[in-house]
Amino acid sequence: DQQVKQNSPSLSVQEGRISILNCDYTNSMFDYFLWYKKYPAEGPTFLISISSIKDKNEDGRFTVFLNKSAKHLSLHIVPSQPGDSAVYFCAAFSGTYKYIFGTGTRLKVLA
Amino acid sequence: GAVVSQHPSRVICKSGTSVKIECRSLDFQATTMFWYRQFPKQSLMLMATSNEGSKATYEQGVEKDKFLINHASLTLSTLTVTSAHPEDSSFYICSASLFGTGELFFGEGSRLTVL
Repeated sequence: DQQVKQNSPSLSVQEGRISILNCDYTNSMFDYFLWYKKYPAEGPTFLISISSIKDKNEDGRFTVFLNKSAKHLSLHIVPSQPGDSAVYFCAAFSGTYKYIFGTGTRLKVLA
Repeated sequence: GAVVSQHPSRVICKSGTSVKIECRSLDFQATTMFWYRQFPKQSLMLMATSNEGSKATYEQGVEKDKFLINHASLTLSTLTVTSAHPEDSSFYICSASLFGTGELFFGEGSRLTVL
């Protein structure tokens, strides 16, 4: 039972365009969501987070949107850069101090 | 941001031996650390939750006798893969949460290869 889903395993975007990565969850008890970026053979690095009391959080080129009624969040990267090419994981925090990760989306930004 | 250090980053061992991986929070105290395993082209699979001073909580399907976790201090958790076999070869990642913010910080990961 996958509580956090990233239905697109991969995404290719032209440099300078917007990248939109999507994440769906099933558990309404999740109250905190995070996005991580991961390069091969490295640990994930934190990108941006959002609390369930908000519907948008912005940090530079990265914006996360949360739609609680649809149990959906998305990460927007604009403008996309070749260095953004990586695997992106969304994660949900359940309050029982457990983080549930999605399956990841591999983003490739084409120069 | 907070730093979590993992060591060693790469280890190669013979089948049947045990390997210990360390995870340290360098500039904060982590009462809870997590251990993950990443299979090729798959998500991060949570193996266990490690709480300082108590026994780790293992996820379903993870053998606690095979993957020994010790969280002896607020800054150190260790994962020992006992009697390693080639199928244990994987990328192991630890993380620690920063109390009060919910943010999760990851170590650099450790690639284990069992020959």
